[in-house]
Amino acid sequence: DAGITQSPRHKVTETGTPVTLRCHQTENHRYMYWYRQDPGHGLRLIHYSYGVKDTDKGEVSDGYSVSRSKTEDFLLTLESATSSQTSVYFCATTTYGQGYGYTFGSGTRLTVV
Amino acid sequence: KNEVEQSPQNLTAQEGEFITINCSYSVGISALHWLQQHPGGGIVSLFMLSSGKKKHGRLIATINIQEKHSSLHITASHPRDSAVYICAVSSSGTASKLTFGTGTRLQVTL
Repeated sequence: DAGITQSPRHKVTETGTPVTLRCHQTENHRYMYWYRQDPGHGLRLIHYSYGVKDTDKGEVSDGYSVSRSKTEDFLLTLESATSSQTSVYFCATTTYGQGYGYTFGSGTRLTVV
Repeated sequence: KNEVEQSPQNLTAQEGEFITINCSYSVGISALHWLQQHPGGGIVSLFMLSSGKKKHGRLIATINIQEKHSSLHITASHPRDSAVYICAVSSSGTASKLTFGTGTRLQVTL
């Protein structure tokens, strides 16, 4: 199942550097999401997109920006990485909004040193 | 209080045991999802349900909309069922955003 591909799978970066994570889907799904997963927390929404060039903030959006110039690609950028952004990042997609299943990427493990 | 609460947080069972994981939520939902995550692995969708009961192999998911409660059952558990099971809800009119529970870590031993 190669519906969603996240890249890179692992990354170590230094504090203060910009980082971009990529989510690529072949499902033609309208909705795309970026979540982060941290111990003791459920997955938390960073940003989401409901169409090309249509994005909005989630509950933990500070320090992150996103872009979606094509249906298949959703990019997450950490403008200036901090240690608190060390996490596992998951991309997810769904179609037609409510009531449809979700597909998740394999995750990107990001370490900020 | 979290909008989605799971219990137990951790669960150890012996192979063959019947397992129940519970999920309670406090918001109106359009659907509830059960997800599975193996250690170091990605997240796989097991069930999506808005009413009643669904079954897939040894897994059964039920939901009671009035009580805002769902259960995930595993019959005849096996060590390969060891994983984190996550409950999530999607709400009407919210661009299908998911709200997640913190997960139940299941360990099935021989």
